[in-house]
Amino acid sequence: NAGVMQNPRHLVRRRGQEARLRCSPMKGHSHVYWYRQLPEEGLKFMVYLQKENIIDESGMPKERFSAEFPKEGPSILRIQQVVRGDSAAYFCASSPSGDYRGPKYGYTFGSGTRLTVV
Amino acid sequence: AQRVTQPEKLLSVFKGAPVELKCNYSYSGSPELFWYVQYSRQRLQLLLRHISRESIKGFTADLNKGETSFHLKKPFAQEEDSAMYYCALKGGGAQKLVFGQGTRLTINP
Repeated sequence: NAGVMQNPRHLVRRRGQEARLRCSPMKGHSHVYWYRQLPEEGLKFMVYLQKENIIDESGMPKERFSAEFPKEGPSILRIQQVVRGDSAAYFCASSPSGDYRGPKYGYTFGSGTRLTVV
Repeated sequence: AQRVTQPEKLLSVFKGAPVELKCNYSYSGSPELFWYVQYSRQRLQLLLRHISRESIKGFTADLNKGETSFHLKKPFAQEEDSAMYYCALKGGGAQKLVFGQGTRLTINP
């Protein structure tokens, strides 16, 4: 099991371009979470998705950011018209169920994508 | 509002000395608390969660609801403990975690 796979590891975009970050959850995991880590700050929750559904997007900026987790394929975090303030590390995590107390809890993180906007 | 505070950004101790990484939280209900660790060039991984009351790699953490704290402790630090440590809270039925800013622990030989 390769774990949670994120790609690319590093992404450089010019201001105004689009950034697409991919996350493939662990095998058997159907819940995906995206977090952002700005320089010198802790991880901040962005969005929680299950297959084809957004469950909680309370941490997503209102504009330019969107996320999806299609029936087939990885979860995608999309940032349109990037600005310098979007430069950060974006982490994805997955779990087998939404019940964090359960015996099968597992909130496994990927290695992250470091986005640099120039 | 849910908040996690790790007051020390950096902590440096000598090998063999006791270690305590502080974590305070703000939450009106009954939270679940976690410690995550990130070793150099590795991904973030779960170290401890309070509901399991276990000791991992010699680390323990006790939830103190009166002081709203969940400090991480180890009686004798080892060089391989050098890493970034994050305290995190999960409240209510939500699945998201609220993280502290992290403490970079350095164990000196």
